[in-house]
Amino acid sequence: QKEVEQNSGPLSVPEGAIASLNCTYSDRVSQSFFWYRQYSGKSPELIMSIYSNGDKEDGRFTAQLNKASQYVSLLIRDSQPSDSATYLCASRDDKIIFGKGTRLHILP
Amino acid sequence: DAGVIQSPRHEVTEMGQEVTLRCKPISGHDYLFWYRQTMMRGLELLIYFNNNVPIDDSGMPEDRFSAKMPNASFSTLKIQPSEPRDSAVYFCASSPPGGGYGYTFGSGTRLTVV
Repeated sequence: QKEVEQNSGPLSVPEGAIASLNCTYSDRVSQSFFWYRQYSGKSPELIMSIYSNGDKEDGRFTAQLNKASQYVSLLIRDSQPSDSATYLCASRDDKIIFGKGTRLHILP
Repeated sequence: DAGVIQSPRHEVTEMGQEVTLRCKPISGHDYLFWYRQTMMRGLELLIYFNNNVPIDDSGMPEDRFSAKMPNASFSTLKIQPSEPRDSAVYFCASSPPGGGYGYTFGSGTRLTVV
């Protein structure tokens, strides 16, 4: 059974600080990894894709992948109240397997 | 592009009734996925299609659920008969050829079975 594990949270972070979200995955053959953001009552929105070991930066977001440890993380710098949402980690081999998400709350 | 289009946005039905959910993927996307989301179980993959062919339906909960994709621009998910435990948000998503990309989700259908 392929699984993606995340801490459900909530993770509370002061405005302006760095939010760090983590997940692990079980399927070693997965080649593609994603972070989705989901606001309450809305559909998941793709915010980051990462395919190789190391860091990938896009604006205030940095995704990190370590295939040896089967570990993916997302850093959000200068956290804003609008970043408050549930963040879903996902891995893809033939299909995407989602974690259950981490609820992030940015404290004004 | 208008994105992935799902209808209806909300559906309330009585137990035992047939429910049909509809999805139009993004033009040019050859993968289509149906997911169900609940608080308890998160996002569960029900079935996915590649080039209109069902590839993996192992997530379909039971024979009451069926899905079709008659052409590249339309898919349906049908529940017959519906039960209260089917209440959830059902998402359709599509992705481009190549298999390694993330999905684009539709707005979802919130199904309530009373």
